[in-house]
Amino acid sequence: DAGVTQSPTHLIETRGQQVTLRCSPKSGHDTVSWYQQALGQGPQFIFQYYEEEERQRGNFPDRFSGHQFPNYSSELNVNALLLGDSALYLCASSLAITGGNHGYTFGSGTRLTVV
Amino acid sequence: SQQGEEDPQALSIQEGENATMNCSYKTSINNLQWYRQNSGRGLVHLILIRSNEREKHSGRLRVTLDTSKKSSSLLITASRAADTASYFCATMLGGGADGLTFGKGTHLIIQP
Repeated sequence: DAGVTQSPTHLIETRGQQVTLRCSPKSGHDTVSWYQQALGQGPQFIFQYYEEEERQRGNFPDRFSGHQFPNYSSELNVNALLLGDSALYLCASSLAITGGNHGYTFGSGTRLTVV
Repeated sequence: SQQGEEDPQALSIQEGENATMNCSYKTSINNLQWYRQNSGRGLVHLILIRSNEREKHSGRLRVTLDTSKKSSSLLITASRAADTASYFCATMLGGGADGLTFGKGTHLIIQP
């Protein structure tokens, strides 16, 4: 049973450019959440997708956008990259009907470095 | 913003000893979850305790929740070198759509 799969593992991009990170949820899960984790900090909630729509968003600017596909996989897009966007980006999946009351399954993350 | 605050920020103990980490939070919650993270990679869900529960066990893990004090503790008994990791508490406020709010974590080192 595959867990959450994220790609790429590492990414280096230039300031001002844009990146797309990808996530495949755990088999059977229908909800995908994205988190940003700066070095030495806890993860910060970016947004959550369910039924191909953004349900909630954390305190992140519109430069951060996402998409969920009919197969429940998801993409995180970051435009106009800033040096401060350098972080580990984590994807977490869950089953909506449980309302998160069974915990979340996280992927191994994408390490983004902005230069 | 960080909802939870773990204490201590770092903890170093000998293998076989018990490790206790604490977490405080600010607002009413639906549930509180503990996660482990090895070397800055993905988080692993350890245990979830609901707001109407006071204590929960899973293997060598024991979690307590005191909603009146807005605090939780994670006890790892008979620690092993493989327990070396960062441990985060995370709170869920409503039905899950708001995501989890994490603390800054406790870095646990188990000395062999």
